[in-house]
Amino acid sequence: IAGITQAPTSQILAAGRRMTLRCTQDMRHNAMYWYRQDLGLGLRLIHYSNTAGTTGKGEVPDGYSVSRANTDDFPLTLASAVPSQTSVYFCASSAGTGAREQFFGPGTRLTVL
Amino acid sequence: RKEVEQDPGPFNVPEGATVAFNCTYSNSASQSFFWYRQDCRKEPKLLMSVYSSGNEDGRFTAQLNRASQYISLLIRDSKLSDSATYLCVVSTSGTYKYIFGTGTRLKVLA
Repeated sequence: IAGITQAPTSQILAAGRRMTLRCTQDMRHNAMYWYRQDLGLGLRLIHYSNTAGTTGKGEVPDGYSVSRANTDDFPLTLASAVPSQTSVYFCASSAGTGAREQFFGPGTRLTVL
Repeated sequence: RKEVEQDPGPFNVPEGATVAFNCTYSNSASQSFFWYRQDCRKEPKLLMSVYSSGNEDGRFTAQLNRASQYISLLIRDSKLSDSATYLCVVSTSGTYKYIFGTGTRLKVLA
């Protein structure tokens, strides 16, 4: 692994189903983030984690949950998917917060029908 | 007003041209600034950080104007491969909050 990986690459999901998007980084970065990107709205922060064991809510957290059991993994769960959660999801990490640049995974394209 | 604003473009320029983008931000406490490049259906990738004194990386020059609260990106001698969307990102040290602009789309034409 080099950098950040995400899985799956894409997914079509029926509304009401539960889905977990996976994110793994091998850079030993403390901070990790989940964003969604929608046309015309740019990237919006869903949840973040400053360090293993801690998480926080971003701009659009409703309908999503995260966990950070260790440094490398930061899964994002949709408990009961809705069509408005159709989006491209990017996981990112950074060595610290604020002043340090973020590195992004390749994204997961999710369609909820 | 959006916290970070960019002209969405597209900017259509011929190969070899010089093109500049601006990005304005509203939070005067912002301390860190970045330009990212995003190709269609791909993840954003860091192009360059923006330092107070301005900085250059090859054909790319970034400037910061704190008084007017904007950052700029200048691309000289444009290449076809520069065609992409350029995202402006603003953050405050010690926080999780990175604010992304919606991006400026550049098309370099042969």
